[in-house]
Amino acid sequence: DIVMTQSPDSLAVSLGERATINCKSSQSVLKSSNDKTFLNWYQQRPGQPPKLLISWASTRNSGVPDRFSGSGSGTDFTLTISSLQAEDVAIYYCHQYSKSPPAHTFGGGTKVEIK
Amino acid sequence: EVQLVESGGGLVKPGGSLRLSCAASGLTLSNAWTNWVRQAPGKGLEWVGRITRTSEGAPTDYAAPLKGRFTISRDDSKNTVYLQMNSLTTDDTAVYFCNTESYSVLSNWGQGTLVTVSS
Repeated sequence: DIVMTQSPDSLAVSLGERATINCKSSQSVLKSSNDKTFLNWYQQRPGQPPKLLISWASTRNSGVPDRFSGSGSGTDFTLTISSLQAEDVAIYYCHQYSKSPPAHTFGGGTKVEIK
Repeated sequence: EVQLVESGGGLVKPGGSLRLSCAASGLTLSNAWTNWVRQAPGKGLEWVGRITRTSEGAPTDYAAPLKGRFTISRDDSKNTVYLQMNSLTTDDTAVYFCNTESYSVLSNWGQGTLVTVSS
């Protein structure tokens, strides 16, 4: 089974500072026939369902501020918040899809707080 | 606007069964891949399973540990997807979310429904 390992488990960042979250997959993340990587990032604020932030490793979802960016390939991926805002306090999850067998796998989550 | 609304959660005794519903508006579920994802209290996200489009024969896939106890189905006339859960244990206590999937991206999520398994 594929395992997604996020680090750190939590981090506290000052307002306006950068937050970096890492996600490592136990296997290379699947790519589509048009070379897109099946790696996504979600934000979950307290008491809310997850919300899609980044798809295909680096494509921001509609309405997501440009301070959020995703990067990486293969087994190592990163979500960066370039200038932390108060509304970014949340847990962030990486997620990948595998075809054989079909399954969705999430990382354990990274809690982001204000220092 | 796409909206998914889960219902059917509640308190159930160990060994019992429960059926959750995921009703959609602004979207025809027969044309969507619909997943169930759960979240135990204070824990992370765990994929439960999914059902594909009616036009594809609606095959289902499940997380290996849950196969055999959980069944996903759909009623196209009600635009609703169901999650039938049997032989429940305390480990199944969680908020259950439904969401729609497009090219591996889980884009639309409901608010979730809480299932508590306790004697």
